[in-house]
Amino acid sequence: EDKVVQSPLSLVVHEGDTVTLNCSYEVTNFRSLLWYKQEKKAPTFLFMLTSSGIEKKSGRLSSILDKKELFSILNITATQTGDSAIYLCAVEARGSGGSNYKLTFGKGTLLTVNP
Amino acid sequence: DGGITQSPKYLFRKEGQNVTLSCEQNLNHDAMYWYRQDPGQGLRLIYYSQIVNDFQKGDIAEGYSVSREKKESFPLTVTSAQKNPTAFYLCASSIIKGEREKLFFGSGTQLSVL
Repeated sequence: EDKVVQSPLSLVVHEGDTVTLNCSYEVTNFRSLLWYKQEKKAPTFLFMLTSSGIEKKSGRLSSILDKKELFSILNITATQTGDSAIYLCAVEARGSGGSNYKLTFGKGTLLTVNP
Repeated sequence: DGGITQSPKYLFRKEGQNVTLSCEQNLNHDAMYWYRQDPGQGLRLIYYSQIVNDFQKGDIAEGYSVSREKKESFPLTVTSAQKNPTAFYLCASSIIKGEREKLFFGSGTQLSVL
C-alpha cells in the first residue's frame, strides 16, 4: 500500500520566520510528487516535482525532491499571515499490474502564521 | 471563467437518506475525481472517472455511488449504506495526458448527519 507521511502535522510560527515542511513516501512506480495549499476550501496547486535535486521556486516558496531518500521538503521564507493554510503533499504512482496512476495524499501540515 | 463548481456548500443528511452532491466543470477535462477529507486525515479517493460512462472505485468507495453521463458532470451519491458520512467532500478534475497530475479542485461540500 502506498504511503505518504507529512510532518509536522501542525506548526505555529511568527511572521518573518522560515518554515520547512516535510513529506516522505513509500510507493512503487513513483511518477511525481505534488504540493498543494488549502486555505479555505479548495486546494490549489503549488509545485510538481519529478527529478531529484532540482529546486522548484515560486516567490518565497521553494521545494526539492530527493528520490533516493524518498522525501521532499517545502520551504517558506519570510512567512506572512496569508501563508496560514494546510499544506498537502501528494505522490503519484502507477498501481500494481500496470493499472492507472493514482494520487496518494498525506494528512497535511496545518501552518499558522501569527502576526 | 473556467472552473469546478460544487453544490451545495453545506448539506445535512437524515438517517437512512440518500443524498447527492453535485460537481460540474467547464474546463473540458477528461478525468474527474471525488475525495473525502476528514479532520486529521489526508484526502482519500472515493471514485474517479476518466471518460464518459466509465468510472472506477477508489480506496473508500463503499457506501457511495457515482455516474458520468456527461463530460462536465460527475455527481456523487452518499447512500444510506455509508454509516459515517460526515466529512468534507472535494471534487477535482484533470486532463489525462501531459500535466495530468495538476488536479483542479472545487470548493467542497460539507456533509453532516442530523
